[in-house]
Amino acid sequence: GAVVSQHPSWVICKSGTSVKIECRSLDFQATTMFWYRQFPKQSLMLMATSNEGSKATYEQGVEKDKFLINHASLTLSTLTVTSAHPEDSSFYICSARFEGGYNEQFFGPGTRLTVL
Amino acid sequence: QQQVKQSPQSLIVQKGGISIINCAYENTAFDYFPWYQQFPGKGPALLIAIRPDVSEKKEGRFTISFNKSAKQFSLHIMDSQPGDSATYFCAAKTGANNLFFGTGTRLTVIP
Repeated sequence: GAVVSQHPSWVICKSGTSVKIECRSLDFQATTMFWYRQFPKQSLMLMATSNEGSKATYEQGVEKDKFLINHASLTLSTLTVTSAHPEDSSFYICSARFEGGYNEQFFGPGTRLTVL
Repeated sequence: QQQVKQSPQSLIVQKGGISIINCAYENTAFDYFPWYQQFPGKGPALLIAIRPDVSEKKEGRFTISFNKSAKQFSLHIMDSQPGDSATYFCAAKTGANNLFFGTGTRLTVIP
């Protein structure tokens, strides 16, 4: 159990376009999901916390108008990178928090975004 | 400020050897300490976790040792195998709050 999926697994887009990444908890409901960004050979950097039915909470330095997060249901959160630029190229990973027990976070497989 | 400090940055171990990765934290409110394993191009996967009320937890070849007074915890991988080659992250959190990750250790197990 506790499976989180992401779609797409990789995407290539042109500079100036927008890209949407989906994060789904497949076998549990998640009130809270998280979005991370990871640069090569570095740790995970928390971008924002996504709460179902309310606005996301962004970490300091993360542009909320550029990285739009929508948590429309208890199993789906989306991250839209708007007007993407080459510097937005990165590995984006979501996680979903399982409510109860130790409030574990279960991670998706990640999405590789390349902006040309 | 790095909430969780991890060392070493990289580690090379012979097959069958013991891999040891160390982490230290400052926030005594942390009450949950997981370790994640990440393969290239994949998301992190929970490997093993411990709460501060126990000093050791073992699952198969993986053991967490926890020293509350020193605010340190470590991952031991016994009988290391080439398939264990990955990046390992320690983390810590309080309750339902965010995870704070260490900087990661790239483990290479050579045959």
